[in-house]
Amino acid sequence: AQTVTQSQPEMSVQEAETVTLSCTYDTSESDYYLFWYKQPPSRQMILVIRQEAYKQQNATENRFSVNFQKAAKSFSLKISDSQLGDAAMYFCAWGGAQKLVFGQGTRLTINP
Amino acid sequence: EAGVAQSPRYKIIEKRQSVAFWCNPISGHATLYWYQQILGQGPKLLIQFQNNGVVDDSQLPKDRFSAERLKGVDSTLKIQPAKLEDSAVYLCASSWFRGPLYEQYFGPGTRLTVT
Repeated sequence: AQTVTQSQPEMSVQEAETVTLSCTYDTSESDYYLFWYKQPPSRQMILVIRQEAYKQQNATENRFSVNFQKAAKSFSLKISDSQLGDAAMYFCAWGGAQKLVFGQGTRLTINP
Repeated sequence: EAGVAQSPRYKIIEKRQSVAFWCNPISGHATLYWYQQILGQGPKLLIQFQNNGVVDDSQLPKDRFSAERLKGVDSTLKIQPAKLEDSAVYLCASSWFRGPLYEQYFGPGTRLTVT
């Protein structure tokens, strides 16, 4: 079975600074994806970024980028130039065979 | 493109009562998921439909939870009777059926409080 672990229950960062959220996972599958989802107080889960496991190049979406270390089964999210609107719960998720397995989440606070 | 719709947004019931949630997926999405998200935790899959058939309901507490997807479109999730530990947000998601992975699109969720 797949497991996803987020070891940081809470993180905070000053506006305009950079923050990194950690995630590790365990799987025996060879074909899978990894995701970061954002969940604001409205509860809507919003896809932030995804990484195909077979790709060595780290995914980037504007201010969001990942550091994917396949051998270490590590998948961290870096948010650059943090903005007040980035405040939310962030969930790391493993995806494969039509399923998603989520971590426990990290609550990100942005300090103005 | 309209997103995944869910109703109601909030529901408060007493324990041992019954409750039902409704989900309308994105048009054309063959796969539909129901998740339970307890406060402070990540979503946990309860049941997965492919069209109107159940693909995975291994984590659905079948003694009190039931779900159906009529005609492969809308879906309802029912709890009867509810327990205090059922207080959670119930998320519905849908996805296309293609390729090795199917990006899931989430609805706004229903927050259930059982008193």
